Amino acid sequence: KAGVTQTPRYLIKTRGQQVTLSCSPISGHRSVSWYQQTPGQGLQFLFEYFSETQRNKGNFPGRFSGRQFSNSRSEMNVSTLELGDSALYLCASTSGGTRTYNEQFFGPGTRLTVL
Amino acid sequence: TQLLEQSPQFLSIQEGENLTVYCNSSSVFSSLQWYRQEPGEGPVLLVTVVTGGEVKKLKRLTFQFGDARKDSSLHITAAQPGDTGLYLCAGPNTGNQFYFGTGTSLTVIP
Repeated sequence: KAGVTQTPRYLIKTRGQQVTLSCSPISGHRSVSWYQQTPGQGLQFLFEYFSETQRNKGNFPGRFSGRQFSNSRSEMNVSTLELGDSALYLCASTSGGTRTYNEQFFGPGTRLTVL
Repeated sequence: TQLLEQSPQFLSIQEGENLTVYCNSSSVFSSLQWYRQEPGEGPVLLVTVVTGGEVKKLKRLTFQFGDARKDSSLHITAAQPGDTGLYLCAGPNTGNQFYFGTGTSLTVIP
């Protein structure tokens, strides 16, 4: 079974631009969560999509948005990029149940650098 | 303010030594998970502890969940260079939203 894939792996943008990152979950998984990882703040939850609906949202500004398609693939978009948006963006796939101990399978991440 | 605090933040030890990593919170969690992340990769789940006081072993790794379900520890016996990585604890909020700890970066020197 193929793992979680994220594209692109590396991205360099300049301030004010916008960016779209893509995540393909494990086949059969319906839940996709996005996280931002920085050295200072660690791993922080952005949002979760389940069956094309945003189910949970973290404490990030509205410049961060996402969506999920009918095949469970997900994209996240960051508009008006700021230097502080430089980070590793991780996508996690789960089967989608609401048990408190679902196993999350993470992709390798997209390394975004904002200049 | 981080909901889950890990200590130590950095750890550098010689191969063969033992070590313990701690994950503490003032909040009660229904479960806690431990992950290991290697450079350039996403975190990989090692274990989930669910019951207060639970102890789980994974080869040389021993995980414990505190009785009050507010803290957890990871003990590694006879560390090997392959254990090098970033160790993260995580606790669930609602649905699949997880709070992650501050992380412990472990380096095992051959």
